[in-house]
Amino acid sequence: GAGVSQSPSNKVTEKGKDVELRCDPISGHTALYWYRQSLGQGLEFLIYFQGNSAPDKSGLPSDRFSAERTGGSVSTLTIQRTQQEDSAVYLCASSLRATGFGNTIYFGEGSWLTVV
Amino acid sequence: QKEVEQNSGPLSVPEGAIASLNCTYSDRVSQSFFWYRQYSGKSPELIMSIYSNGDKEDGRFTAQLNKASQYVSLLIRDSQPSDSATYLCAVKRGGSYIPTFGRGTSLIVHP
Repeated sequence: GAGVSQSPSNKVTEKGKDVELRCDPISGHTALYWYRQSLGQGLEFLIYFQGNSAPDKSGLPSDRFSAERTGGSVSTLTIQRTQQEDSAVYLCASSLRATGFGNTIYFGEGSWLTVV
Repeated sequence: QKEVEQNSGPLSVPEGAIASLNCTYSDRVSQSFFWYRQYSGKSPELIMSIYSNGDKEDGRFTAQLNKASQYVSLLIRDSQPSDSATYLCAVKRGGSYIPTFGRGTSLIVHP
């Protein structure tokens, strides 16, 4: 597609439920990133994929968070047993490559998660 | 010391003025620098990237990079109320896959 596509755009879930957030990067982009942004806060790095591999998972806040990427394209971020502090916008971004020329990252519109 | 620092603002400028946004970074081997604009409730959108010392101009926007002093700035000429947003600076060190973002500077352009 023309841009990074994320779904759902909005999700309200009950505490303790699992949620899946989906990201479809720009076609041909090999690098994919997940960030989280709480209300009024900065961007918090969660995880990075190069192809289907995740060399850096250092930002995942807890073992309730996991992510995968298949076919070098679509990625899913899963949050198990959601807590109220998980409420935030989850931003996916992609870049043509991770380093060197073409390493500019482009963001999707985000998935707004509210845990009640 | 934070890796990428920005004054949170708000920076308030009158319409038509030049807005100057600054960003300092701590990692001397940083090689890629980006400015993003984020409207309230929206995701960041790229304004421009800069890789070499000096100025890079794109329309009303000019990015300035000084690696020796470890700062990058963004100038917005002829500021418009529609420029009111939070501006994020991002820095990536050479060989690193992950850009580090500053907390952003809030810009308000008043008529």
